[in-house]
Amino acid sequence: SAVISQKPSRDICQRGTSLTIQCQVDSQVTMMFWYRQQPGQSLTLIATANQGSEATYESGFVIDKFPISRPNLTFSTLTVSNMSPEDSSIYLCSGGAGANTGELFFGEGSRLTVL
Amino acid sequence: AQKITQTQPGMFVQEKEAVTLDCTYDTSDPSYGLFWYKQPSSGEMIFLIYQGSYDQQNATEGRYSLNFQKARKSANLVISASQLGDSAMYFCAMRGDWGYQKVTFGTGTKLQVIP
Repeated sequence: SAVISQKPSRDICQRGTSLTIQCQVDSQVTMMFWYRQQPGQSLTLIATANQGSEATYESGFVIDKFPISRPNLTFSTLTVSNMSPEDSSIYLCSGGAGANTGELFFGEGSRLTVL
Repeated sequence: AQKITQTQPGMFVQEKEAVTLDCTYDTSDPSYGLFWYKQPSSGEMIFLIYQGSYDQQNATEGRYSLNFQKARKSANLVISASQLGDSAMYFCAMRGDWGYQKVTFGTGTKLQVIP
């Protein structure tokens, strides 16, 4: 199975600030994604992190709020900008090996609480 | 469009007993993949098992097996010999022809193992 490391694992943030989450994957992973899980909810895809180019965002998510970088094949960051309490969620990095086949693996998740 | 339905918001099982978590799906894609994940209270998403729509055999991984009934569009997870550490949320998910970008998650089932 693929190894996906994510940090921070949790943080408490003040309203109006921004936080960057880092994700490191092993070489088996070719595709990287960012998900959000609001309290008591299922997972929602934020965007696909594209190597060396702008991420592909899902409906309802915009680059200004969730800027994503992927400078190389195995590293990506998600920034949650200008946070409000509604951004309190678990943010999960995920990755898949191969061209859209097989398993999708997740990092440990970053639990953000915005006060 | 894809849809995953988990009708059991919560389940109880006695330790050492087997339990089945239900999952039904709907898709018009000719090929697809089905996943089950475990999410303990810590928040990480742990990959359990994967079934491809053209796989002839039902997937098994240790104490986990996936009861795949294609005609019924169901992909139930069977956990044998339940352990206290199995207490967690369990999510069924599906990937269609569009690949990882279109992974759809169910609403989850909270499993509690009773000593």
